[in-house]
Amino acid sequence: DTGVSQDPRHKITKRGQNVTFRCDPISEHNRLYWYRQTLGQGPEFLTYFQNEAQLEKSRLLSDRFSAERPKGSFSTLEIQRTEQGDSAMYLCASSLSGPRDTEAFFGQGTRLTVV
Amino acid sequence: DAKTTQPPSMDCAEGRAANLPCNHSTISGNEYVYWYRQIHSQGPQYIIHGLKNNETNEMASLIITEDRKSSTLILPHATLRDTAVYYCIVRFSGYSTLTFGKGTMLLVSP
Repeated sequence: DTGVSQDPRHKITKRGQNVTFRCDPISEHNRLYWYRQTLGQGPEFLTYFQNEAQLEKSRLLSDRFSAERPKGSFSTLEIQRTEQGDSAMYLCASSLSGPRDTEAFFGQGTRLTVV
Repeated sequence: DAKTTQPPSMDCAEGRAANLPCNHSTISGNEYVYWYRQIHSQGPQYIIHGLKNNETNEMASLIITEDRKSSTLILPHATLRDTAVYYCIVRFSGYSTLTFGKGTMLLVSP
């Protein structure tokens, strides 16, 4: 296992288009997180899953955003009707739950540019 | 989660110890202190965490004051590859999400 992988690494889209990102977590990790990071800021939490259940969503996650983890393995994050303000790095992370939930492993992110 | 305060930037000479401070004066008794770093164009990387006692691993040492209101991350022999943004985060054990601030940009120079 090579860690958390995200696809694509870069995405350029026109305003109003829909985009979907994929995250493959570390295989034995049951928790999966999505964060967003804009230039000069630290990552901001968007949502997280434990197995296939979406347990928490940030108020940053507007109605245009939807995340899924249908089989408790990989996850997708879709943004509908993209806006220029959605331009950011989208980071995925995974971890174990319970007493071993001491560190989250992050992927290298998907950089979205909305033009 | 308690709020943390870190200097925006620090410099360190290669081979010297880098001491990165963090204030978390509102930390509660069961909140842990975590440190992550983010090298340019990469995702954050876990470094170390602790509750009360000082901690050491292969990457760094974490010194937490007795009153737990501040901590220091120590990179004993900084290298150029340690140039990164370092984030100090406090969170409850078992609470999943991480709240990142702006961190400290550490520049290690030859």
